[in-house]
Amino acid sequence: ELKVEQNPLFLSMQEGKNYTIYCNYSTTSDRLYWYRQDPGKSLESLFVLLSNGAVKQEGRLMASLDTKARLSTLHITAAVHDLSATYFCAVVLTRGSQGNLIFGKGTKLSVKP
Amino acid sequence: NAGVMQNPRHLVRRRGQEARLRCSPMKGHSHVYWYRQLPEEGLKFMVYLQKENIIDESGMPKERFSAEFPKEGPSILRIQQVVRGDSAAYFCASSQGITYPYEQYFGPGTRLTVT
Repeated sequence: ELKVEQNPLFLSMQEGKNYTIYCNYSTTSDRLYWYRQDPGKSLESLFVLLSNGAVKQEGRLMASLDTKARLSTLHITAAVHDLSATYFCAVVLTRGSQGNLIFGKGTKLSVKP
Repeated sequence: NAGVMQNPRHLVRRRGQEARLRCSPMKGHSHVYWYRQLPEEGLKFMVYLQKENIIDESGMPKERFSAEFPKEGPSILRIQQVVRGDSAAYFCASSQGITYPYEQYFGPGTRLTVT
């Protein structure tokens, strides 16, 4: 059974600081997604990572994937208040999957001035 | 092209009543996934459907829950005899296919409250 673990689950940051969210998964995965969710809202896709060493950046967020370690990171650079949200990673199994996503529990990020 | 639509957005039911949640996929999408999000938790897969067929319902509780995706009309997730533990946000996502580069696009969700 594929398990996805994120840490930390809660993160309180000051504006301007850097931090990293980690996502570990337990078995081979076809692809890994990062999503953002604002309170009471739906999920917004941020990144999809497909292969070992993949790195994607958008604004102050950068995601990377190490398939050998089964680890993805979401790095936040010089955080701003607008980044406050819950961030989820999700993976798709390589085999026996119908494409359904397996989510981590999410990291609730709060950026304080 | 309108996004994935779900209705109602909020639904309140008393224990023992039935809840019907609707999902209209994006135009051209024939794959629908339903996920449930309990408070302060990640989303959990429930069921995957293609038009008129349930493909994978491994995440759906065996009793009281059912799903359909008819040839015409939206996909429906039905919960009979709701209990307090069914209170959650239910999201559907639609896709053109199950492999990359096809992505799942999420609807706004239905927040079910059971009183």
